[in-house]
Amino acid sequence: SQQGEEDPQALSIQEGENATMNCSYKTSINNLQWYRQNSGRGLVHLILIRSNEREKHSGRLRVTLDTSKKSSSLLITASRAADTASYFCATDNFGNEKLTFGTGTRLTIIP
Amino acid sequence: NAGVTQTPKFQVLKTGQSMTLQCAQDMNHNSMYWYRQDPGMGLRLIYYSASEGTTDKGEVPNGYNVSRLNKREFSLRLESAAPSQTSVYFCASMRGSDSSYEQYFGPGTRLTVT
Repeated sequence: SQQGEEDPQALSIQEGENATMNCSYKTSINNLQWYRQNSGRGLVHLILIRSNEREKHSGRLRVTLDTSKKSSSLLITASRAADTASYFCATDNFGNEKLTFGTGTRLTIIP
Repeated sequence: NAGVTQTPKFQVLKTGQSMTLQCAQDMNHNSMYWYRQDPGMGLRLIYYSASEGTTDKGEVPNGYNVSRLNKREFSLRLESAAPSQTSVYFCASMRGSDSSYEQYFGPGTRLTVT
């Protein structure tokens, strides 16, 4: 069964706007990661946040983690057409080296 | 540095045929993974290998076998393909064992079983 579930399933915004997508998970985690997948391609790692961190930034990406609510959010600021992709959260369980992926959010940036 | 490579990119099989999907990584990673991706299902783990010589089942192993040939290569075999195995298959690798949990993915193999 899927550990993470993203919300919304699909999101369309105008170029330049901010995009926020959420991930909820079920069990305790060691860390949570976000990946991007462009159409027809493999996944690309974006950012990792550890269970003892609450917020992390990387360029235009901001990730938050609330372990009490078992949820995370990914914010992409000043969106660009090139951000059009599917975004997945993935969790691991205390170093067993397996990731469990959510079902993804499909983001479309309208030029 | 090619990263993770997969062959073939596309394949069409008839029900009952067998085939092997090949994966190789040149990053000296310890861990390797096979996933399948179906519409609306995200990625599901088929098998993984934490190190050369070891393999373990993931969430959906039935109908598949794997071989960790050496540190670089991890193959996935379908012995008797079924239409339910129509999917996109991704191989991934991870350095592992040192708190680095980022996975690197190959470009995928699109498999259709008729």
